[in-house]
Amino acid sequence: GQSLEQPSEVTAVEGAIVQINCTYQTSGFYGLSWYQQHDGGAPTFLSYNALDGLEETGRFSSFLSRSDSYGYLLLQELQMKDSASYFCAVFNQGGKLIFGQGTELSVKP
Amino acid sequence: NAGVTQTPKFRILKIGQSMTLQCAQDMNHNYMYWYRQDPGMGLKLIYYSVGAGITDKGEVPNGYNVSRSTTEDFPLRLELAAPSQTSVYFCASSKGAGASGNTIYFGEGSWLTVV
Repeated sequence: GQSLEQPSEVTAVEGAIVQINCTYQTSGFYGLSWYQQHDGGAPTFLSYNALDGLEETGRFSSFLSRSDSYGYLLLQELQMKDSASYFCAVFNQGGKLIFGQGTELSVKP
Repeated sequence: NAGVTQTPKFRILKIGQSMTLQCAQDMNHNYMYWYRQDPGMGLKLIYYSVGAGITDKGEVPNGYNVSRSTTEDFPLRLELAAPSQTSVYFCASSKGAGASGNTIYFGEGSWLTVV
């Protein structure tokens, strides 16, 4: 089967850096994705890692270690609007995309 | 650009009733998904499809059925609605599953209450 684990909640202050970790178990791993979801809204795509290493997109970066079945999302220069839920998700070769339970990020002034 | 369109946005069902949630995408995506999300929880995969005529079960398929007769449409059927099916339902699509098209596009969601 497939499973993903991530912390349920994280709190940080404006301007800070926060890291949200994700460990996964899956067969036929294709890649690790990250999504952001604000209350009442649909999830939106943030990043995708298929290979080991760091991918950077503006203030957000995502890292993957396939050997450790581990990844993280790094958010820099936190802003109040970054308060949301963040989900890691795993693609397998059959096209199935499974999501973690989500990490609720609260950004304080 | 329409993207992924879900209807209806809100619906109240009585126990035992049936209904179909409609989902259509205009991006010529091969992969389509149905998820449910209970309050404060993650998204659970109900069914998915990798192309017209092909569907497969996800994590929580019981009580639901799908069909994929065209590339564009992926309706979700609820038979004999139960209170446990009260949830927000998201339809999503992507071009592929790997580097060729890994971005998932979501519809706005359908809020379903079973009473």
